[in-house]
Amino acid sequence: AQSVAQPEDQVNVAEGNPLTVKCTYSVSGNPYLFWYVQYPNRGLQFLLKYITGDNLVKGSYGFEAEFNKSQTSFHLKKPSALVSDSALYFCAVRDRGNFNKFYFGSGTKLNVKP
Amino acid sequence: EPEVTQTPSHQVTQMGQEVILRCVPISNHLYFYWYRQILGQKVEFLVSFYNNEISEKSEIFDDQFSVERPDGSNFTLKIRSTKLEDSAMYFCASSDQTGGQETQYFGPGTRLLVL
Repeated sequence: AQSVAQPEDQVNVAEGNPLTVKCTYSVSGNPYLFWYVQYPNRGLQFLLKYITGDNLVKGSYGFEAEFNKSQTSFHLKKPSALVSDSALYFCAVRDRGNFNKFYFGSGTKLNVKP
Repeated sequence: EPEVTQTPSHQVTQMGQEVILRCVPISNHLYFYWYRQILGQKVEFLVSFYNNEISEKSEIFDDQFSVERPDGSNFTLKIRSTKLEDSAMYFCASSDQTGGQETQYFGPGTRLLVL
């Protein structure tokens, strides 16, 4: 069965420090991988995606993510966190063979403290 | 920047009542989706819709649910007879293509509470 795991419910980081939000997946074959962010009372906003090619993907607001096939991971990173990055982050996976469905992780709440 | 919009933002209904959740996808998009998120749980796929037909639906999307594109702009989710367990945040999404690589753009959600 397809699944996505975000092992941390919450990540706390000081402003200016690097941040990592973890995601691992279990999908048959080669997946399409996405990160979305949700601010309070807003919908899910697209951050970045991995389709093919370079394992390091750069996205909006200075975020990047690295696809690691051997570890089946797609961790979200940012070199220097901002207080405004505080939000709920969702990892999502789509199976290339059955691409209509998104499988979402449970979400990780990122708290960036000044 | 174009956005997906959803109305209402909140809806409270009595068990057994019908509800219609409305979505206006991004105007040039052709593929439409509904997801739901029960409080504290994962976002779950409900249904995808293209060319006035359901492309795929999950096991959650039973006979109590239906979707419709009644005109050129709206995309609706109807729950015929609501149950307590239908209480959730419902997200609409749209995309301009399909195949897996496309980005789905999500609306802000409708929070449904069934009493």
